[in-house]
Amino acid sequence: EVQVAESGGDLIHPGGSLRLSCAASGFTISNHYMTWVRQAPGKGLQWVSVIFNAGGTRYADSVKGRFTISRDTSTNTVFLQMNNLRAEDTAIYYCVRVGEGWFDPWGQGTLVTVSS
Amino acid sequence: QSALTQPASVSGSPGQSITISCTGTNTDIGAYDYVSWLQQYPGQAPRLLIYDVTSRPSGVSSRFSASKSGNTASLTISGLQAEDEAHYYCTSYTRTDIPWVFGGGTKLTV
Repeated sequence: EVQVAESGGDLIHPGGSLRLSCAASGFTISNHYMTWVRQAPGKGLQWVSVIFNAGGTRYADSVKGRFTISRDTSTNTVFLQMNNLRAEDTAIYYCVRVGEGWFDPWGQGTLVTVSS
Repeated sequence: QSALTQPASVSGSPGQSITISCTGTNTDIGAYDYVSWLQQYPGQAPRLLIYDVTSRPSGVSSRFSASKSGNTASLTISGLQAEDEAHYYCTSYTRTDIPWVFGGGTKLTV
């Protein structure tokens, strides 16, 4: 079964750092685009970052320079390193396998709370 | 502000049909046939409902259909059921530096 499972969310102070992990199973991440999407409490979905099958990356303007997406093909895991966190980064972070016209599957997400 | 525009809410009675619109521009919806729709229940992760404008993944009811015309995509739910009450999001691939954009979401009340 094709699945992803996020972990690493936590309560963190503003300015702090956190690394999220996404363990994929049932498929090989290096053959696909993998993305992070977040959802602030009570809000809609926001695309955050992608790592393409060839290894290239892209970021939303709101996280560029602070977040870094990477992957470990030996463990089939995708990461999101988040630095200089702000209150507005508070959200559930979802890891999703993505194609140009689809997002699937979705994990259950991991909650990041940035607060003093 | 979301890049794609959806109505904040729609409502319908059981058995009726409703349509949710999703308006973008010629750099996203109008540029490619790469629109998808997601369904999200409260407290749950989104799930893929429609991909590549009109296609349904296996397991998705045929009551869900979608289309696109110009810069606007639409999701139609026919034979509304109580279980359809959820949030619905559209998304599109884009030709900008931001590969995907989302709509703000539409809350469907049945």
